[in-house]
Amino acid sequence: DAKTTQPTSMDCAEGRAANLPCNHSTISGNEYVYWYRQIHSQGPQYIIHGLKNNETNEMASLIITEDRKSSTLILPHATLRDTAVYYCIVRVARGINTGKLIFGQGTTLQVKP
Amino acid sequence: DTEVTQTPKHLVMGMTNKKSLKCEQHMGHRAMYWYKQKAKKPPELMFVYSYEKLSINESVPSRFSPECPNSSLLNLHLHALQPEDSALYLCASSQEERIYNEQFFGPGTRLTVL
Repeated sequence: DAKTTQPTSMDCAEGRAANLPCNHSTISGNEYVYWYRQIHSQGPQYIIHGLKNNETNEMASLIITEDRKSSTLILPHATLRDTAVYYCIVRVARGINTGKLIFGQGTTLQVKP
Repeated sequence: DTEVTQTPKHLVMGMTNKKSLKCEQHMGHRAMYWYKQKAKKPPELMFVYSYEKLSINESVPSRFSPECPNSSLLNLHLHALQPEDSALYLCASSQEERIYNEQFFGPGTRLTVL
């Protein structure tokens, strides 16, 4: 699976959009970008995933650059409950072991009042 | 019901003890996972079960022994652990062992080995 690079930490004001970047410059054509988050003392939680098109769900939006070398997770109106570690994960779409989730170091997002 | 439950929440054991961690889901999922998470580190995959058969073992030491007695239940048997095995042990499940299937995680069991 391709390696991802994320900033170690970020701050965001409550009510503002949180934009979390992820670099995956070695991503290949059959690899998806997934985002999970882990709130303190809880298990990770799935947020969103995409291949090449931008995606949106009730939690967040995912913007993937045209060359697919980077992406941005957007939480449109961050709340204090969004304070968590956010993991960007690249996963191969076909072949064996597609169930594996390989977590990187993630970005610790602190939402401040 | 999108819940994965894990028991116990906390476990303290000595290096000579034998203990088990339990994970349960009632979502009809056929893939279940064990992850280990050390403090301030990301989760690391240990085992994957698919349709009650061991699919992936990430070279985990034999003192950790997984078991999947049925499609809803996943156990992790612990024996002769070391203090460095102290960690949060997370269980997850998904519809099947495929990339398209979201993994649902339990809250974890915090294990301390003395």
